Amino acid sequence: SQKIEQNSEALNIQEGKTATLTCNYTNYSPAYLQWYRQDPGRGPVFLLLIRENEKEKRKERLKVTFDTTLKQSLFHITASQPADSATYLCALPGYSSASKIIFGSGTRLSIRP
Amino acid sequence: EAEVAQSPRYKITEKSQAVAFWCDPISGHATLYWYRQILGQGPELLVQFQDESVVDDSQLPKDRFSAERLKGVDSTLKIQPAELGDSAMYLCASRPRQGAYEQYFGPGTRLTVT
Repeated sequence: SQKIEQNSEALNIQEGKTATLTCNYTNYSPAYLQWYRQDPGRGPVFLLLIRENEKEKRKERLKVTFDTTLKQSLFHITASQPADSATYLCALPGYSSASKIIFGSGTRLSIRP
Repeated sequence: EAEVAQSPRYKITEKSQAVAFWCDPISGHATLYWYRQILGQGPELLVQFQDESVVDDSQLPKDRFSAERLKGVDSTLKIQPAELGDSAMYLCASRPRQGAYEQYFGPGTRLTVT
């Protein structure tokens, strides 16, 4: 079955710097990959979707890359702010169904002023 | 902006009791999902509905969990009897019939079984 790996350790960075989060996957080739943000005690919020034929996608201060050879996605937040502090989840479609998604365990990001 | 509604937000119950959660997806969203999320982990799919039909319930512990979406709109997830290990956040999400694959999540129900 597919496996998704995200850094389990929290990432702490200084405000204004670029935060980079990693998502690695194994055992198959997904047609797309998604990133979600989750605040404590709340449901995840969709941020970006990148398809297998796209190398990079941007939305405001967010940038996602998708390397199907390395089986890796990088999620960047530029000019980070304390309000960006949250857990970020990587999600891939299920092996047998594109409408079902499998989530990674998430990486907690803390931006210090 | 339309949102997925869930209730209750918090539920404390004793083990062996029955508990039920309710979800109202965004209007017009045909696909509805129930997830369970344990602290420190990502959401895990329990059941997926397309309209009123179950598409995937392979991870639903059917001896104690049941889910229904009778009219293809709102949905109920039930646990009977609850066990200590069921303590978790239960999330509902919906997705439009056509369009991209992003899912829209409700605020969740935090269940504590004592």
